[in-house]
Amino acid sequence: GAGVSQSPRYKVAKRGQDVALRCDPISGHVSLFWYQQALGQGPEFLTYFQNEAQLDKSGLPSDRFFAERPEGSVSTLKIQRTQQEDSAVYLCASSLALGVPGELFFGEGSRLTVL
Amino acid sequence: AQSVTQLDSQVPVFEEAPVELRCNYSSSVSVYLFWYVQYPNQGLQLLLKYLSGSTLVESINGFEAEFNKSQTSFHLRKPSVHISDTAEYFCAVIRSGNYGGSQGNLIFGKGTKLSVKP
Repeated sequence: GAGVSQSPRYKVAKRGQDVALRCDPISGHVSLFWYQQALGQGPEFLTYFQNEAQLDKSGLPSDRFFAERPEGSVSTLKIQRTQQEDSAVYLCASSLALGVPGELFFGEGSRLTVL
Repeated sequence: AQSVTQLDSQVPVFEEAPVELRCNYSSSVSVYLFWYVQYPNQGLQLLLKYLSGSTLVESINGFEAEFNKSQTSFHLRKPSVHISDTAEYFCAVIRSGNYGGSQGNLIFGKGTKLSVKP
């Protein structure tokens, strides 16, 4: 597609459930990023892929968070045993590997609500 | 480490009035600076960026921002706003230079909601 696509747009989970959020980046974009945006806050970095390699996962808040990009295109962010503090909008962004640093193309986000 | 402060969480203005959205950053190294905009029900979009050269940068829809190294600021301005400028604006920073394997780890401010009233 023309832009970054994320699904589902909205997800409600009961505390303790596992969730999976999908990101389909712009075709040809080598770099892929996940950000977490809590209510009233700016996006915060979670993890970064270059093709299928996860080069930086320093922002993942706990070992309940796991991201993968097995074929270097679609990525999945998985959250195990969800907690209320995981409620946030999860943003995916992609960019050309040799593009301008910081020039990211964002999806509309997946809003996760944990009850 | 870098950080970004957007002092105003909400800025209401009337149509055709000027506006300034403030952004200050802290960093011990050289940085690149960005403004992203999020219109209602849309994803974040790059509005403008400062990488090097002229400290005044402009967007295609009339916004401009000036990099002020001494004041560590990158305020966003528009001389006359339109209803369609209603959105949330995020200032972001990334350290300049060689990234190695981690490119594009933006640090964002908390955002400023610009509300333009008729």
